[in-house]
Formats: sequence, C-alpha cells, structure tokens
Amino acid sequence: EAQVTQNPRYLITVTGKKLTVTCSQNMNHEYMSWYRQDPGLGLRQIYYSMNVEVTDKGDVPEGYKVSRKEKRNFPLILESPSPNQTSLYFCASRSTWGLNTEAFFGQGTRLTVV
Amino acid sequence: AQSVSQHNHHVILSEAASLELGCNYSYGGTVNLFWYVQYPGQHLQLLLKYFSGDPLVKGIKGFEAEFIKSKFSFNLRKPSVQWSDTAEYFCAVNVMNRDDKIIFGKGTRLHILP
Repeated sequence: EAQVTQNPRYLITVTGKKLTVTCSQNMNHEYMSWYRQDPGLGLRQIYYSMNVEVTDKGDVPEGYKVSRKEKRNFPLILESPSPNQTSLYFCASRSTWGLNTEAFFGQGTRLTVV
Repeated sequence: AQSVSQHNHHVILSEAASLELGCNYSYGGTVNLFWYVQYPGQHLQLLLKYFSGDPLVKGIKGFEAEFIKSKFSFNLRKPSVQWSDTAEYFCAVNVMNRDDKIIFGKGTRLHILP
C-alpha cells in the first residue's frame, strides 16, 4: 500500500531538547516536504527536497533542519525546540516525473513544546 | 508572491443544503489545482484535482470543482451536504515553476448541522 509514514504521532517535549520527527515514503517519490499546520494559518511549508542530497527552505524554515540521505526518508530535526514550534506537522511526498502529480500526506505529528 | 485565498473561514450549513467554497489564487502561469479535506483528527486527503482538460472536475463523495482561468478561481461545490462532510477543506495550488511547490489556502472549517 502506498503511504507516507510519520513517527511519532504525538510528542510532548521540553524547550531546548533536540528531537527528530521521521518521515518515510514507499512510492519512490523524488519530492518530499514538511509542513506545519496552525489554526487560521493553513499549511505552511518548512523545508522541501527535490531529490537525494537536495534540500531547500520553504516559507517558515527558522528553527528547523532536514536531511535527505536516502530517497525514502526525510527527517525533520528541531535542534532546540521552543514553545512557538508547538504545532501539527505533516510530511508529504510526490513524484516529479511528468507534469501532473499529487501530494500524499502522512498522518501528522502533533508536537507540544513546554 | 504566489498566494491562495479561501473566502470563508467558517461555514455552517444544515444537512441537504448546497455548498460552495470559494478559492482564488494569484499566479499567472501554469498551475495544478487541488482540494484537500481534513476530517477531525486525521490527515489531509485528496478530494479532487485539476491538471488540464475539462475545467469541471468531479471528485470523491459527490464533490466537484470548476476551474475558471479568467477569474483565477477553483471553487468547490456539493449539491447536498451530509453531516459526515463536517471537516476542514483546503484549496491548494501547485505552481509549475522552478520551486514546484504546493501552496495552501488557510482552510475553511465546515460544520454541518444534523
């Protein structure tokens, strides 16, 4: 079954404690991205990756890092989380071959930073 | 900068009422258009998409949307809503330029009264 898998689904952490949210897709997609969803703001892109070892900043990259060492994985790293990073995070992937592709989303990770 | 505007932040309807959610985007080039739905506590699911061809597209669960290029609009419609349509709806645009990013609107929260 084609899917995007995020872990963990829920996470409560303290300010400053480094954390990683994992994302893995089994569709051999080139393009992967991270979004955060906040009430009234919709989904905002944090980082994206066009392929292995190719990453770039989205609209709200401050406080986040990513890596793309393998095609299937795209972890989101918060080196020193702060309360304003409390949010719902979604990973997405899609193929970039051909003109018309749709994004597939993971189940989401609800992060609370206290 | 490219943007997506959803006209209504919160819509309340009774069952069997007709629905239309507005979406406008600002980008003069080639776009792919999407509507996603997010049921309470769940991830985003694709309702429908427009890539090319017939501007009236039909999606799942009786939803449809019409692309009007001259108005930069992609409004979502359903003739008769059900209580199970209670969810948040996001319009999204894939801007077909170098970044190849998907831009989301801020969402419309739809509440159907039984």
